[in-house]
Amino acid sequence: DAGVTQSPTHLIKTRGQQVTLRCSPKSGHDTVSWYQQALGQGPQFIFQYYEEEERQRGNFPDRFSGHQFPNYSSELNVNALLLGDSALYLCASSLRVGGNIQYFGAGTRLSVL
Amino acid sequence: GQSLEQPSEVTAVEGAIVQINCTYQTSGFYGLSWYQQHDGGAPTFLSYNALDGLEETGRFSSFLSRSDSYGYLLLQELQMKDSASYFCAVRRTDSWGKLQFGAGTQVVVTP
Repeated sequence: DAGVTQSPTHLIKTRGQQVTLRCSPKSGHDTVSWYQQALGQGPQFIFQYYEEEERQRGNFPDRFSGHQFPNYSSELNVNALLLGDSALYLCASSLRVGGNIQYFGAGTRLSVL
Repeated sequence: GQSLEQPSEVTAVEGAIVQINCTYQTSGFYGLSWYQQHDGGAPTFLSYNALDGLEETGRFSSFLSRSDSYGYLLLQELQMKDSASYFCAVRRTDSWGKLQFGAGTQVVVTP
């Protein structure tokens, strides 16, 4: 049973560019959440997708957008990259009903130069 | 505001017991969770307390007291592989599924 997989593992971009990160949830999970983790900090919630719609959103600007596909996989898009967007981006999957546990992928390390 | 506070670092020797406290200010939540994260790795679920009291899972135990706005993770019989960051997190009732994390506690296990 594959866990949560994310791609790519590492990415280097320059300011102003756009990036797309991908996530495949754990088998059987229908809900995907995205988090940003700066060095030495806890993960910060970006948004959550369920039934292909954004259900919850954290304090992130509109430059951060996402999508969920019918197979429950998800993408995170970040436009107009800033230096401050450099972080580890984590995807977590869970069950919508009774999902007290979130399963995380290993993340995508984004560096903005 | 709504926040979770935990110590930044704890150091202990192999075989010892470590308690990581988490105090929180939040209006309502479903439960308190604990996650472990090794350097460069994915956060991994350790324990969840929906109700007050102690939950035991092998060498790890977690405790919650809603009346005291407090919880802790207890790591027993410490092993070198327990060196990692540990995060407490709450799933708030005003935002289904959103986990709010503390800043994490770095546990350093020495020989």
